[in-house]
Amino acid sequence: DSGVTQTPKHLITATGQRVTLRCSPRSGDLSVYWYQQSLDQGLQFLIQYYNGEERAKGNILERFSAQQFPDLHSELNLSSLELGDSALYFCASSVQPGATGELFFGEGSRLTVL
Amino acid sequence: DQQVKQNSPSLSVQEGRISILNCDYTNSMFDYFLWYKKYPAEGPTFLISISSIKDKNEDGRFTVFLNKSAKHLSLHIVPSQPGDSAVYFCAASDLGSSNTGKLIFGQGTTLQVKP
Repeated sequence: DSGVTQTPKHLITATGQRVTLRCSPRSGDLSVYWYQQSLDQGLQFLIQYYNGEERAKGNILERFSAQQFPDLHSELNLSSLELGDSALYFCASSVQPGATGELFFGEGSRLTVL
Repeated sequence: DQQVKQNSPSLSVQEGRISILNCDYTNSMFDYFLWYKKYPAEGPTFLISISSIKDKNEDGRFTVFLNKSAKHLSLHIVPSQPGDSAVYFCAASDLGSSNTGKLIFGQGTTLQVKP
């Protein structure tokens, strides 16, 4: 158990819809990272927040957005969903950026868009 | 632009033998490298790491080697056990320059250890 909690674990929705994925980092971790893993692909970095502020951005689509709240949990919002958005979405956390290099991952949220 | 590449999608070895997983990178700013292991229906878990100032790091049955001039690293598992069967991801970070801590991952290599 990494201590990172993601909900929901599974989500099935239709094209054009909007979903929100939630992540609670490990206790004490200030930094949250979101990754997308599509079929047979590696983990693609989407976005990072540190203590409530955006710290780094990857290849995140404009239809996607995220935020980190004062209690440090984070949400990833995916809108106008397309079939190609079907993927595993992982959240990871660390104490602070660059502390040790290691990120702690949640179990992921599997999104299926029909 | 794939900055971290794992060119072997899969690897199969016999129990007790050595498993060697390879990884190449292109960004010379990367200064920290990690290997993660992932079982089905679970998140990736940290396995071992190496700083760019070293060329070898060992932790039990796992050893990571770094060849900076070739921009290549490898993970050796000796002896391999059936429980090591999983997807292994290589990851890299530019801790010294970016201060974000984000990791760039390879595509993963599925290791199967046969009893």
